[in-house]
Amino acid sequence: GNSVTQMEGPVTLSEEAFLTINCTYTATGYPSLFWYVQYPGEGLQLLLKATKADDKGSNKGFEATYRKETTSFHLEKGSVQVSDSAVYFCALSPQGSYIPTFGRGTSLIVHP
Amino acid sequence: EAGVAQSPRYKIIEKRQSVAFWCNPISGHATLYWYQQILGQGPKLLIQFQNNGVVDDSQLPKDRFSAERLKGVDSTLKIQPAKLEDSAVYLCASSSRKEMVDEQFFGPGTRLTVL
Repeated sequence: GNSVTQMEGPVTLSEEAFLTINCTYTATGYPSLFWYVQYPGEGLQLLLKATKADDKGSNKGFEATYRKETTSFHLEKGSVQVSDSAVYFCALSPQGSYIPTFGRGTSLIVHP
Repeated sequence: EAGVAQSPRYKIIEKRQSVAFWCNPISGHATLYWYQQILGQGPKLLIQFQNNGVVDDSQLPKDRFSAERLKGVDSTLKIQPAKLEDSAVYLCASSSRKEMVDEQFFGPGTRLTVL
């Protein structure tokens, strides 16, 4: 079946540090890939997405590249801010289906 | 535009009691999802509606969970009777399916505690 594996959290960084949150997936064909963010007390929000191999999704300084050869979609940001503190979820939507699969989430804590 | 609305935000019940959650999606969104998010885990899809029809309910525990979307707009998820392991946040999401890639818009969730 389909699955998404994210690195364990929490990830704790100082402001302006570089961020990487690893995400790998298992799925047949070419799924669409997503990163969602959940701020404290709020619902999930789409952060970025990529629909085909080598696509790069980007938003708010965050980037992720769809790597078919390594089945990965790692999230990166060059300089994190305290306001980026949240839980980040990697997700996939299988090819030809709208039934999504989410990872367990990675908590990010950014200190001033 | 208004976001996805859910109520109540919090609910505490005893095991074997019944509970219902309500969701109003973004206006015009044909697709509605219910997810269960247990603490420390990602959301798990329970049921997906397209208008008032069920697209997928393969992970819905049908012996105790039920959901309806009678007029293709708002939706209700019910648990009867509740078990301790049902303690979770229940998320509702909607999408318009105007693109091939289905961006979902999530509500704030209902946090259920079963004692």
